[in-house]
Amino acid sequence: GDSVTQMEGPVTLSEEAFLTINCTYTATGYPSLFWYVQYPGEGLQLLLKATKADDKGSNKGFEATYRKETTSFHLEKGSVQVSDSAVYFCALSDRSSASKIIFGSGTRLSIRP
Amino acid sequence: SAVISQKPSRDICQRGTSLTIQCQVDSQVTMMFWYRQQPGQSLTLIATANQGSEATYESGFVIDKFPISRPNLTFSTLTVSNMSPEDSSIYLCSVETGMVFNEQFFGPGTRLTVL
Repeated sequence: GDSVTQMEGPVTLSEEAFLTINCTYTATGYPSLFWYVQYPGEGLQLLLKATKADDKGSNKGFEATYRKETTSFHLEKGSVQVSDSAVYFCALSDRSSASKIIFGSGTRLSIRP
Repeated sequence: SAVISQKPSRDICQRGTSLTIQCQVDSQVTMMFWYRQQPGQSLTLIATANQGSEATYESGFVIDKFPISRPNLTFSTLTVSNMSPEDSSIYLCSVETGMVFNEQFFGPGTRLTVL
């Protein structure tokens, strides 16, 4: 079945460092790909998404490109801030699975001032 | 987008009891879902709440344990029945508005602790 594998955490970086969180997926169809973020004590928020190959999703300085050839959707940010400390979930939704979203295990990111 | 509220935001319950969680959306939505997030884990879909008919449960989840209602297009409830400490989790409601295919919005979650 469909699955999402993402980089294990926790990840700790200094402010203004470059961030990459790896995510790869397995899907039988043509999934949409998402990154969700969960800030401490809050619910899940959609950070960015891409719906087809070579699409780049971006928001709040974060980017991820849908790479069909490598089945990847890595999250990147050029300069992280303390406020980016959160748990990040990579996820996919396969059009053939009636809106079901499959989440990765989550990566906890902590940014040091 | 959609604004989603859940009640209660958190609760501490005794084993063997049941808790009903409410999910309210500020607009009519096509689909509503219930997820469970166990401590330190990712989200797992429990079921899809269908308006006017029985919910569709994922493998490993059954109606007797997690009865769900969806009386209209803006409201749903999830009951966690006969609770045990293993049910301690965050329970999240999500919705798909139908405006963007496969895009879901999540509620703030209900943090449940079972003693």
